[in-house]
Amino acid sequence: LAKTTQPPSMEAYEGQEVNVSCSHTNIATSEYIYWYRQVPHQGPQFIIQGYKDYVVNEVASLFISADRKLSTLSLPWVSLRDAAVYYCIVTPQGGRALIFGTGTTVSVSP
Amino acid sequence: EAAVTQSPRNKVAVTGGKVTLSCNQTNNHNNMYWYRQDTGHGLRLIHYSYGAGSTEKGDIPDGYKASRPSQENFSLILELATPSQTSVYFCASGDWGGFTGQLYFGEGSKLTVL
Repeated sequence: LAKTTQPPSMEAYEGQEVNVSCSHTNIATSEYIYWYRQVPHQGPQFIIQGYKDYVVNEVASLFISADRKLSTLSLPWVSLRDAAVYYCIVTPQGGRALIFGTGTTVSVSP
Repeated sequence: EAAVTQSPRNKVAVTGGKVTLSCNQTNNHNNMYWYRQDTGHGLRLIHYSYGAGSTEKGDIPDGYKASRPSQENFSLILELATPSQTSVYFCASGDWGGFTGQLYFGEGSKLTVL
């Protein structure tokens, strides 16, 4: 499984756009990129997944570099509720399980 | 909305005692998972299951057993609990068929072993 590297923490103000990066330099052709977030005292929650290019849903957008070694999760107009730990996970589709790293702690201030 | 329910939500156990954490899902998912999370750490995979009757070892299975008696239920068993197993445990379900990468997690079970 490809190893992922994320910044340990980020800070933002309400209303800002937040971009969380994830490096996965050894990503294999069979692997997909998944993003989850976890707020305190709750289990992780799926945000978005992608394989290449650009993916968008009602919550976030995901940009994947052409060589697939870097992905960026973009959260538009963050609110206090978006304060959470964001996990980037790379794994084959149909793989054994999702392996979580330590993620990026995003803090949001009023 | 997919639902995963864990019980108990909080448990205090004594060293050497037996602890069973239960998980129920109403999603009809084939796969179920048990993770633990310690303060300041990500989730670590303990056991998982591909369906009723199957259990597989995850990354940190020592000291834990798992049981999947039905599609809906997946239990984590600590036969001889130790203080090092004090943690928050999360159960999840998902289905790799047409997989979207989406696992559904329960709200966690906080276990304290004294």
